[in-house]
Amino acid sequence: KAGVTQTPRYLIKTRGQQVTLSCSPISGHRSVSWYQQTPGQGLQFLFEYFSETQRNKGNFPGRFSGRQFSNSRSEMNVSTLELGDSALYLCASSSGGRLLEQYFGPGTRLTVT
Amino acid sequence: AQSVTQLDSQVPVFEEAPVELRCNYSSSVSVYLFWYVQYPNQGLQLLLKYLSGSTLVKGINGFEAEFNKSQTSFHLRKPSVHISDTAEYFCAVSERRTGANNLFFGTGTRLTVIP
Repeated sequence: KAGVTQTPRYLIKTRGQQVTLSCSPISGHRSVSWYQQTPGQGLQFLFEYFSETQRNKGNFPGRFSGRQFSNSRSEMNVSTLELGDSALYLCASSSGGRLLEQYFGPGTRLTVT
Repeated sequence: AQSVTQLDSQVPVFEEAPVELRCNYSSSVSVYLFWYVQYPNQGLQLLLKYLSGSTLVKGINGFEAEFNKSQTSFHLRKPSVHISDTAEYFCAVSERRTGANNLFFGTGTRLTVIP
């Protein structure tokens, strides 16, 4: 079974631009969660989508948004990029139950210059 | 609100020696507890989890952890480490109310196994 895939793996953007990251969950998984990992703040939960609906949301500004498609693939968007948005963005999928294991992708490394 | 404290940012240990990675948490509600491992340039992999029941939890790769409610701790242990255990280890909690898909992570402990 293929794992969680994230594209692109690396991205360089300029401050003020916007960016879209993509996550394809494991086949059959309906829940996708997004996390931001930085050296200063560590791993922080962004949001979770289940069956195309946002189910949980972390404490991030409105510049961070996401969506999920009918095939469970998910995208996250960051508008008006700031230098502090440079991070590794991790996506995790699970089959949807609240007690089941999350499987993480390799992440997208975003650098904002 | 929850918080997770990993007391050691770096732990060097000789190969075949035992190791303990410490984790303490703070929460006003009941939580689930997890340990994840991250190898260089990879995502996170679940080592073990405590949901309920026995406080001693066994995970993959020979790791185990013990939930201590009175001390609000969930320390990770391995009796004999291998070079391949060199990685970053993260302790995490989630509220029983919201479930396991909303994780709060500690800052991580970098385990370095010395040959």
